[in-house]
Amino acid sequence: GEDVEQSLFLSVREGDSSVINCTYTDSSSTYLYWYKQEPGAGLQLLTYIFSNMDMKQDQRLTVLLNKKDKHLSLRIADTQTGDSAIYFCAESMEAAGNKLTFGGGTRVLVKP
Amino acid sequence: NAGVTQTPKFQVLKTGQSMTLQCAQDMNHEYMSWYRQDPGMGLRLIHYSVGAGITDQGEVPNGYNVSRSTTEDFPLRLLSAAPSQTSVYFCASAPSQPFGSEYFGPGTRLTVT
Repeated sequence: GEDVEQSLFLSVREGDSSVINCTYTDSSSTYLYWYKQEPGAGLQLLTYIFSNMDMKQDQRLTVLLNKKDKHLSLRIADTQTGDSAIYFCAESMEAAGNKLTFGGGTRVLVKP
Repeated sequence: NAGVTQTPKFQVLKTGQSMTLQCAQDMNHEYMSWYRQDPGMGLRLIHYSVGAGITDQGEVPNGYNVSRSTTEDFPLRLLSAAPSQTSVYFCASAPSQPFGSEYFGPGTRLTVT
């Protein structure tokens, strides 16, 4: 079955890098996603990576994918207070109609 | 564009009551979906629609009905509310594929007592 797991909480100082980790169990994932949820708001797609890629960089965001270990990470460079939010990873599989399976979310708190 | 709008923002129901959560989008998106978010569990797909007149079940469809009579609207009906349906409900729409490129609404927080 599908299972996506994340650590619950991450605390980081403003200006440092944040690394949010995610593990998944199904090796037939097609795409893997990172979403951000600010308080009282819906989810916002931050970035995604196709399963045949190892890395994707988009401004302050770097996604690393280790298919062998089924491990996905999101690195946020120069973390700002506005980055405080809950971050969700999700996977989709073509065999499942590309429906998303979400992790439980990692709450990131950025301290000044 | 207003994007994806949801009403109401908050709702309290008694067990056994029925109600409809409204969702509308003004982006002419074909794909719309409903998720529920429970603490520590991420989002789970309830129902989705790939176009007007077409709906399908997601991961947790029991106790919910949907219809899609227009491209813009995708209401979610709770037939007989139960405490297990206490959750935050998100509607989403997408332009080019059903999942992974969705725009989410702000959510409806539902409490069933």
